[in-house]
Amino acid sequence: GQNIDQPTEMTATEGAIVQINCTYQTSGFNGLFWYQQHAGEAPTFLSYNVLDGLEEKGRFSSFLSRSKGYSYLLLKELQMKDSASYLCAVMDSNYQLIWGAGTKLIIKP
Amino acid sequence: IAGITQAPTSQILAAGRRMTLRCTQDMRHNAMYWYRQDLGLGLRLIHYSNTAGTTGKGEVPDGYSVSRANTDDFPLTLASAVPSQTSVYFCASSDSGGQGEDTQYFGPGTRLTVL
Repeated sequence: GQNIDQPTEMTATEGAIVQINCTYQTSGFNGLFWYQQHAGEAPTFLSYNVLDGLEEKGRFSSFLSRSKGYSYLLLKELQMKDSASYLCAVMDSNYQLIWGAGTKLIIKP
Repeated sequence: IAGITQAPTSQILAAGRRMTLRCTQDMRHNAMYWYRQDLGLGLRLIHYSNTAGTTGKGEVPDGYSVSRANTDDFPLTLASAVPSQTSVYFCASSDSGGQGEDTQYFGPGTRLTVL
């Protein structure tokens, strides 16, 4: 079967750095996406990785290792507004997105 | 309109009733999707459409039907609602239906409760 694993919840301090991990087992791989979802709102796109390595976008970076079936999202200089759920999703061989259950990130002052 | 709209925002429905959730996008995207999101589970694909006039089944299609008469609209119908269909429903769209970096953009969601 297909499976995306990420921690259920993480807590971090304002101004700090946090890394959210995602491991996957899917039938085929056509890219990995990270989305942010604030409570009661729609998911919004953060990043896309299809090749191994690190993609940086301002305070957010995403890393991919296809051989290990592993990705992480790195958030720097955390702000209170970063409190949200972070969803990892893999595009499989049928070009459908398989979603993890999401990691709820709690930021404390 | 900018992006994707969904209606209604929320709905309480008696079991056995028929319900259509509406979704409209103005980005001229080829592909559209319906997901449900339940606590503790990832988004699950119900149905999708890669282009107007075609539809396909996702992971959890039973009890739901869709149509794609034109590019902009993708309604989801529950023929006879059951309590297990209580969920938040998200409509999404993407430009190319899976080719390359095909980012999906989401509507605001419909919160449906079936009693």
